Formats: sequence, C-alpha cells, structure tokens
Amino acid sequence: DAGVIQSPRHEVTEMGQEVTLRCKPISGHDYLFWYRQTMMRGLELLIYFNNNVPIDDSGMPEDRFSAKMPNASFSTLKIQPSEPRDSAVYFCASSLTGAYGYTFGSGTRLTVV
Amino acid sequence: GIQVEQSPPDLILQEGANSTLRCNFSDSVNNLQWFHQNPWGQLINLFYIPSGTKQNGRLSATTVATERYSLLYISSSQTTDSGVYFCAHNNNAGNMLTFGGGTRLMVKP
Repeated sequence: DAGVIQSPRHEVTEMGQEVTLRCKPISGHDYLFWYRQTMMRGLELLIYFNNNVPIDDSGMPEDRFSAKMPNASFSTLKIQPSEPRDSAVYFCASSLTGAYGYTFGSGTRLTVV
Repeated sequence: GIQVEQSPPDLILQEGANSTLRCNFSDSVNNLQWFHQNPWGQLINLFYIPSGTKQNGRLSATTVATERYSLLYISSSQTTDSGVYFCAHNNNAGNMLTFGGGTRLMVKP
C-alpha cells in the first residue's frame, strides 16, 4: 500500500480564496482523521470519520471549515474563505481500529497571504 | 481535559549518546502512543504502549499507567533520530488522539 496520500503538498493562496485539501486513506482503514499543526497550538484534531460518517467535528475552528468523505477512499477538507491565520500544516491520518495503528500522510503546508 | 506534559522540551545529543524522554499525564489515559516527526515533517507511529515495556531496535518505551507517565528511551542515538517526539493518548471513546507538546531532539554528528 502506498500509505495515506495527501494533495497538494504545498498550497499558497490569497486571503478570501477557497482551498480544498485532499486525502486518500489506506485501503481497509475505517477511520480517517484530519489534524492541523501550528507552532502555537501544536497538533490539533479537527474532525474524524468512521466508515465515511463524521463522528466528531468539535475541533473544526469555524464554519469556514468543512470536511467530507464521499466514499471510503477519499476525503476533502475545505476552507472557504481562507484567512492568514489558517496557515498551517494539515495532516490526514487513517487507522483500522481508531484507537491505535495510525498512519499519517505527508501533510499539506498551507500558506494564506 | 487531561494535561500532557513532555520533558525536556528540547534536547541536543552527540551521536552515540543515550537519552530518556518523558511524558506525564494529569489523569489516567487510554492507549498511550509515541510518534516521531522527522525534520521533513513526516509523522511515524513508534509505539502503542498503554502499559508495560516494548522495544524496537534502539528504541524502547515504558508506560506506568498507575503513576501516569511514559518514557521513551533512545540508545546509541544517530543523526536520523533528530526531529520531534510526541506522546499521545486517546479520549475515553478511544478514537480521538490528543498530542503532547513534543520534545525536539537534535543529534549532532
């Protein structure tokens, strides 16, 4: 398996633009997680899915953020409109059990100018 | 929520040295895990260690759940060990991984 695949690796966008981050989890993993990493706040869980269903989105910072998982092999995290404070590295991870065995993607470094 | 404190926050080692990283919790935690984030940002799961001791090559981890701490041992450190080491735990439902602040390690040749 190629692991968890995220795209793009880097994204630079202007404030106010829509940004879509993409993730392909490991085949067979029932859990998918979106994390954000910043210097100030460290690694934060934004939302997670189980069997394509959003289970907990309490970490999503604002209504500007939304996430979907239309099928078992694809998820998106969308920010609309983007703001400079959204600049961070966004990680996607998947797990078979949800409790351990996490595999992280390489992350998307987002810069909003 | 449960507070997770990692120490030391920063560590510089000479190649070949041994080190111990510590993770303290304010309350009982579930499913304690250790991760390594390399200098390129990739996060790798090192250990799932809810209790007891595990070893993988030069790395080993011990969790004493009753005393609310976990230790990560790195022996004969190499430059490739550089990066940030995180401990993390799950919430009671077991599906939300919360990370500590990390220990930043630099191993010098």
